[in-house]
Amino acid sequence: GAVVSQHPSWVICKSGTSVKIECRSLDFQATTMFWYRQFPKQSLMLMATSNEGSKATYEQGVEKDKFLINHASLTLSTLTVTSAHPEDSSFYICSAIGYRRLNIQYFGAGTRLSVL
Amino acid sequence: KQEVTQIPAALSVPEGENLVLNCSFTDSAIYNLQWFRQDPGKGLTSLLLIQSSQREQTSGRLNASLDKSSGRSTLYIAASQPGDSATYLCAVETSGSRLTFGEGTQLTVNP
Repeated sequence: GAVVSQHPSWVICKSGTSVKIECRSLDFQATTMFWYRQFPKQSLMLMATSNEGSKATYEQGVEKDKFLINHASLTLSTLTVTSAHPEDSSFYICSAIGYRRLNIQYFGAGTRLSVL
Repeated sequence: KQEVTQIPAALSVPEGENLVLNCSFTDSAIYNLQWFRQDPGKGLTSLLLIQSSQREQTSGRLNASLDKSSGRSTLYIAASQPGDSATYLCAVETSGSRLTFGEGTQLTVNP
């Protein structure tokens, strides 16, 4: 089955620093990758959609300058939380869609970000 | 704007009981509906996907139904086990492969 790897699984950082989260499709080429954020006891909220080689499309209310998304290849997308603050502490999950099964999103295991 | 609601928010049942989780959505223009399982601090595991033209899907002890016209779906779990304890999320897919999730039902199955 399709595997999406997300790294790191957990990160703690100081307020004001930047954190990069990687999302890789290990055994398929991802046409599109999605980034979600999940606060405790809440559901997943789509932050942005990224296609390889083009700029990400951000959902309303998501600051594109704060959450930088780079989709440099068909197997890798990165989310960088710039100048992180405690309110950015959350669970971030990525997903990917491959060429062969366009209606199936494969999810990573998530990254828990704690900003002190 | 699509909104997805799940009822109940939490459910606690004894082992062996059959149970039903509910999901409703406001916009019936969907491509499909999925049920996911999420364990604490973990990612999502897809359980069942129902295309908009289908009415139900089954996998083992799980059965999901879809009534697109009324904007409702149910997930039926037969003979529940402690290992079924998790949060169950319902999500609908709309244009651009966008998924809109409900807030989930936290299920606890007691031995």
